[in-house]
Amino acid sequence: QVQLEQSGAEVRKPGSSVKLSCKISGDTSIRPAINWVRQAPGQGLQWMGAIIPLLKTFRYAPEFQDRVTISADEATHTTYMEMIRLRSDDTAIYYCARDLGARSPPDVWGQGTLVTVSS
Amino acid sequence: AVQMTQSPSSLSASVGDRVTITCRASQDIGDDLGWYQHQPGKPPNLLIYAASSLQTGVPSRFSGSGSGTDFTLTISGLQPEDFATYYCLQHNTYPWAFGRGTRVSI
Repeated sequence: QVQLEQSGAEVRKPGSSVKLSCKISGDTSIRPAINWVRQAPGQGLQWMGAIIPLLKTFRYAPEFQDRVTISADEATHTTYMEMIRLRSDDTAIYYCARDLGARSPPDVWGQGTLVTVSS
Repeated sequence: AVQMTQSPSSLSASVGDRVTITCRASQDIGDDLGWYQHQPGKPPNLLIYAASSLQTGVPSRFSGSGSGTDFTLTISGLQPEDFATYYCLQHNTYPWAFGRGTRVSI
């Protein structure tokens, strides 16, 4: 059974950057797409972007295009999401979630990582 | 980008009630629509995929319908553990987009 394990909580100052990780465990024979989704306090779910290994491509929501980079280390089955120029409204829980392509929605999610941006 | 309009934003219901939540897409997305349940402190849980297919392990009181632009999630016989926030997600066209959510409370 596939599991996604995310890195621990982070505290950052405005203007700094953060890099979160998401490691796949269990069945690593499949190379799923990994999506990043966040939820700010009192807000809904927001899709940020995805890495699609089989297509060797990335997709980003326009509002994150210039501040977010998603990458992956295939050897360790780990995906990363780096966000730069952090603002206080980036305070949120960040989730990674896999999808199996073929127009399938994310079905396995990480436990979430709390990022707090505060001076 | 495809916009998802979800309604209502919140509703109050009782155990045993039938609850209906709707999502409307700004353009045709076929059946590339998923429904999620999200409870505080937990990651979202996929309930329905392909607009109307029940995810493995999800109780049969959850059902989905629709295609194209109009979609519905129905909970038939609300249970205490169903009080949560529900989201639709279109995964037809990048950027993917969630609806704003429906909070189901007592």
